[in-house]
Amino acid sequence: EAQVTQNPRYLITVTGKKLTVTCSQNMNHEYMSWYRQDPGLGLRQIYYSMNVEVTDKGDVPEGYKVSRKEKRNFPLILESPSPNQTSLYFCASSATSGRSYEQYFGPGTRLTVT
Amino acid sequence: AQSVAQPEDQVKVAEGNPLTVKCTYSVSGNPYLFWYVQYPNRGLQFLLKYITGDNLVKGSYGFEAEFNKSQTSFHLKKPSALVSDSALYFCAVSVYGNQGGKLIFGQGTELSVKP
Repeated sequence: EAQVTQNPRYLITVTGKKLTVTCSQNMNHEYMSWYRQDPGLGLRQIYYSMNVEVTDKGDVPEGYKVSRKEKRNFPLILESPSPNQTSLYFCASSATSGRSYEQYFGPGTRLTVT
Repeated sequence: AQSVAQPEDQVKVAEGNPLTVKCTYSVSGNPYLFWYVQYPNRGLQFLLKYITGDNLVKGSYGFEAEFNKSQTSFHLKKPSALVSDSALYFCAVSVYGNQGGKLIFGQGTELSVKP
C-alpha cells in the first residue's frame, strides 16, 4: 500500500529537549515536505526536499532542521523545542516529474511542548 | 504575495442539500489548484485538482470544483451532501515551476452536514 508514515503520532516533551519526528514514504517520490497546522492558519510549509541531499527552507523554518540522506526518509528535528512549536505536524511527498503535483500526506504528529 | 483565502470558517448544510465551500486565490503565473479533506485524527486526503483544460473538475466522493479565472476562485461543490462529508476542507495552490509541489493552503473550512 502506497503511504507516508510518521512516528510518533503523539509526543509530549519539555522545553529544550531535542526530538526527532520520522517520516518515510514507499512511493519512490523525489519531493518531500514538512508542514505544521495551526488553527486559523491552515498548513504552513517548514522545509522541503527536492531529492536526496537537497533541502531548502519553507515559510516557517525557524527552530527546525531536516535531513535527506535516503530518498524514502525525511526526518524533522527540533534541537531545542519551545512552547510555540506546539502544533500538528504533517509530512508529505509527491513525484516531481510530469504535471501531477498532488501531495500524499502522513497521518500527522501532534506535538506538545511544555 | 501568493495566497489562498477561504472566507468561511464553517459551512453548515442539511443532508441531501447542495454544498459549496468557497476558495479564492492570488498568485503570479498560472495556478495549479487543489482541494484536500481532513477527517478527525487523519492526514489530508487529496480530493481533486485543476491544472488546465475544462473549468469544471470532478474528483473523489462526488465532489467537483469550478475554476473561474476572472474571479480567481476555485469553489468546491457537491450536488447532494452526506453526513459523512463532515470534515475540514482545505484549498491550496501550487504555482508550476522549479520548486516542485510547494502548496500554499487556505485556513480551512469546517463543513458540518446535519441529518
